Amino acid sequence: EVVLTQSPATLSLSPGERATLSCRASQSVSNYLAWYQQKPGQSPRLLIYDAYNRATGVPARFIGSGSETDFTLTISSLEPEDFAVYYCQQRSDWYTFGQGTKLDIK
Amino acid sequence: QVQLVESGGGVVQPGRSLRLSCAASGFTFRSYPMHWVRQSPGGGLEWVAVMSYDERNTFYAGSVRGRFTISRDNSKNTLFLQMNSLRSEDTALYYCVRGTRDHYFDHWGQGIVVTVSS
Repeated sequence: EVVLTQSPATLSLSPGERATLSCRASQSVSNYLAWYQQKPGQSPRLLIYDAYNRATGVPARFIGSGSETDFTLTISSLEPEDFAVYYCQQRSDWYTFGQGTKLDIK
Repeated sequence: QVQLVESGGGVVQPGRSLRLSCAASGFTFRSYPMHWVRQSPGGGLEWVAVMSYDERNTFYAGSVRGRFTISRDNSKNTLFLQMNSLRSEDTALYYCVRGTRDHYFDHWGQGIVVTVSS
């Protein structure tokens, strides 16, 4: 099973700042990695797929990068609505998720 | 717009069964693979099962294989999850999820709570 490890567990930033979230895979997943955003009381929302492709309607400030075992989700300038939990997910070897990074307001 | 509405959850004793349903609308249901994904009370997400668009293929996570059965009725735009021999570790919020052709999850229902407790 591919284990995805996200860091940091919690990231405290202010609106307007840049956020950098990391996801590391226990083995190569090529570029078969997605990012999801989950707000309290809501279902996850697909943001990025295949490492860097934005899903429909996702703002350009969400940028995915990386390949093989190391991936990054960058939010270039945080908006108030971006504070949420973010999960990475791989589909190279069935489907597994990271444990999440909570992005909260500083 | 895409809508996925789960039903059938509740509180059940260990060893008993429960059947979840998911009513889909707003898209051509028979053209998409459909999944169940669950979220534990601690927040972790776990993929549970998938059924191909044509009902021919099913796959399961190891933690539920042999106990859970995924099925669908394309004539009624409905997805099901039959859960047998339930365990306390099956306690979670269960999401009905549409799969993309690239094997990601692009639309999620609101989820239904399943609690396994004596």
